[in-house]
Amino acid sequence: DIVMTQSPDSLAVSLGERATINCQSSQSVFYRSNKKNYLAWYQQKPGQPPKLLIYWASTRESGVPDRFSGSGSGTDFTLTISSLQAEDVAVYYCQQYYDTPRTFGQGTKVEIK
Amino acid sequence: QVLLVQSGAEVKKPGASVKVSCKASGYTFTTYAIHWVRQAPGQRLEWMGWISVGNGDTKYSQKFQGRVTITTDTSASTAYMELSSLRSEDTAVYYCARDFGSGSLHYWGQGTLVTVSS
Repeated sequence: DIVMTQSPDSLAVSLGERATINCQSSQSVFYRSNKKNYLAWYQQKPGQPPKLLIYWASTRESGVPDRFSGSGSGTDFTLTISSLQAEDVAVYYCQQYYDTPRTFGQGTKVEIK
Repeated sequence: QVLLVQSGAEVKKPGASVKVSCKASGYTFTTYAIHWVRQAPGQRLEWMGWISVGNGDTKYSQKFQGRVTITTDTSASTAYMELSSLRSEDTAVYYCARDFGSGSLHYWGQGTLVTVSS
């Protein structure tokens, strides 16, 4: 199975400041034939299902604010929230869909400092 | 709009089975795969398997192989996940989710809490 490891486990950021979450996969999730990284990012608030933010590592889902961005390739990826808002308090997960079983990171909890 | 509506919470005894439903609307049901993901209290999301609704092909996580069955009723636009031989560690919120043809999960059901307790 591809193991997904996120860092940090939690972070506290001041309103308006940048939040950066890292995700590393145990093997590459880059598919050479279509040059795509099979990596997604989700946001989960308490009592709610996850919400897709980013897919193909850097494509923002429709309706997601542009302060959320994804980057990286191969095995190392980053989710950046450029200017943290109060409504961004949540747990964020990365997921690979390169292979089955699909696997998720352990989650990163983002709070307001 | 795309909606996935799941059945209500369940309480089961160890050794029993549970069947959770996921009714889809807002799109052509046979076009996209349905996945099942669970989340035990305080744990990460865990993918259980998926079904290609158009042809009925399934793929399960090895962890659940032999205990999980994912099916659909296309006439009712509903997917089902049945988990057997339940144990306390299966206590979790179970989600259905729809992909967009590749595996990223674009739409999610509201979740169904399954509690396994004697």
